[in-house]
Amino acid sequence: AQTVTQSQPEMSVQEAETVTLSCTYDTSESNYYLFWYKQPPSRQMILVIRQEAYKQQNATENRFSVNFQKAAKSFSLKISDSQLGDTAMYFCAHWAIQGAQKLVFGQGTRLTINP
Amino acid sequence: NAGVTQTPKFQVLKTGQSMTLQCAQDMNHEYMSWYRQDPGMGLRLIHYSVGAGITDQGEVPNGYNVSRSTTEDFPLRLLSAAPSQTSVYFCASSSSWRNAEAFFGQGTRLTVV
Repeated sequence: AQTVTQSQPEMSVQEAETVTLSCTYDTSESNYYLFWYKQPPSRQMILVIRQEAYKQQNATENRFSVNFQKAAKSFSLKISDSQLGDTAMYFCAHWAIQGAQKLVFGQGTRLTINP
Repeated sequence: NAGVTQTPKFQVLKTGQSMTLQCAQDMNHEYMSWYRQDPGMGLRLIHYSVGAGITDQGEVPNGYNVSRSTTEDFPLRLLSAAPSQTSVYFCASSSSWRNAEAFFGQGTRLTVV
């Protein structure tokens, strides 16, 4: 069974700083997707970034980038030039393309950006 | 663009009552799922469906029932509400089980007293 672990329950940084959220996962699948979702106080789940396991190049979306280490089963999210609007819960998630057919989430990291 | 619509947004139930959380999507997605979110536990899968007429259990299915009679709708039924079912519930859909990019509804905060 797939598992996803986020070891940082809470993080806090100053506006404009760079912050990295950690995620590790365990899977027996060779082909899968990894995601970071953002959940602001509005409760809406918003897709931040997506990585396909067979792609070696790390995904980037504007100020958001990932460090995908497949052998180490590590998938961290880096937020550059952090903004007040980045304050949210962040969830790491795993999806196996074959087999389980379900999105498995980590416990979440509550990120606060301070002015 | 409606996307995934969940109703209601908030609900208070008494122990033993039953209710249905509604979920509808207008994107013609094959795959739909229900999650519950509890503090410190992330989102956990309750039930999912890979197409009309096909449903399966997720990680925490006990006390919940689903059906999928159309592509658009995937209601979640609480058979006899218990305080342990107090949670925030999310419905999600994806174009297929091969395309994992999930679109989420706005969530339902359910309190069972």
